[in-house]
Amino acid sequence: EVQLVQSGAEVKNPGESLRISCEGSGYTFTTYWISWVRQRPGKGLEWMGRIDPVDSYTNYSPSFEGHVTISVDKSISTVYLQWSSLKASDGAIYYCAKHEGSVPGVWGKGTTVTVSS
Amino acid sequence: QSALTQPPSASGSPGESVTISCTGASSDVGTYDLVSWYQQHPGKAPKLLIYEVTKRPSGVPDRFSGSKSGNTASLTVSGLQAEDEADYYCSSFAGNHVLFGGGTNLTVL
Repeated sequence: EVQLVQSGAEVKNPGESLRISCEGSGYTFTTYWISWVRQRPGKGLEWMGRIDPVDSYTNYSPSFEGHVTISVDKSISTVYLQWSSLKASDGAIYYCAKHEGSVPGVWGKGTTVTVSS
Repeated sequence: QSALTQPPSASGSPGESVTISCTGASSDVGTYDLVSWYQQHPGKAPKLLIYEVTKRPSGVPDRFSGSKSGNTASLTVSGLQAEDEADYYCSSFAGNHVLFGGGTNLTVL
């Protein structure tokens, strides 16, 4: 069974750094792109960017480029999303999703990030 | 890139059919047959319903169907059931990016 297991909820202060993770299993990890998607409370889905686990090639949405970094450790089938300095507006649920072709297919359960002083 | 445009809400009675539209541009929906649809129940992760405009992953009922004409894609839910009440999002490949619609809240009356 294809699964994406995401790391647990985080509570951070503004200005702190954070890295959340997404571990894939049940499929050949390097074969499929993985995307990250943000969902702010009560709002819609926003595509942040994607990574090719084979060579770590990334594409970012212009809205998120420079604000987050997507990386991968294929030795442990894990993709990461990281911030160097969180803002209150980064509070949201973050989903990783394995691509089916060119769009997200199977989704993780989400990681809730709360940023508050 | 702008988000794809969906109506904020839709509704129908049990057994009826409802169609949700998703309007993009010639650079995304109009060019690529890579439109997908997702269903999201409250507090849950999105679930893929339709990919590549018309294809259904295994396990998705054939009550859900997709189509596309020009820059507009559509999701039709036939034989509405109470469990279909959820938010629905469209998505399109757009070159090196993926775009989502703003979402449509479907109410089963």
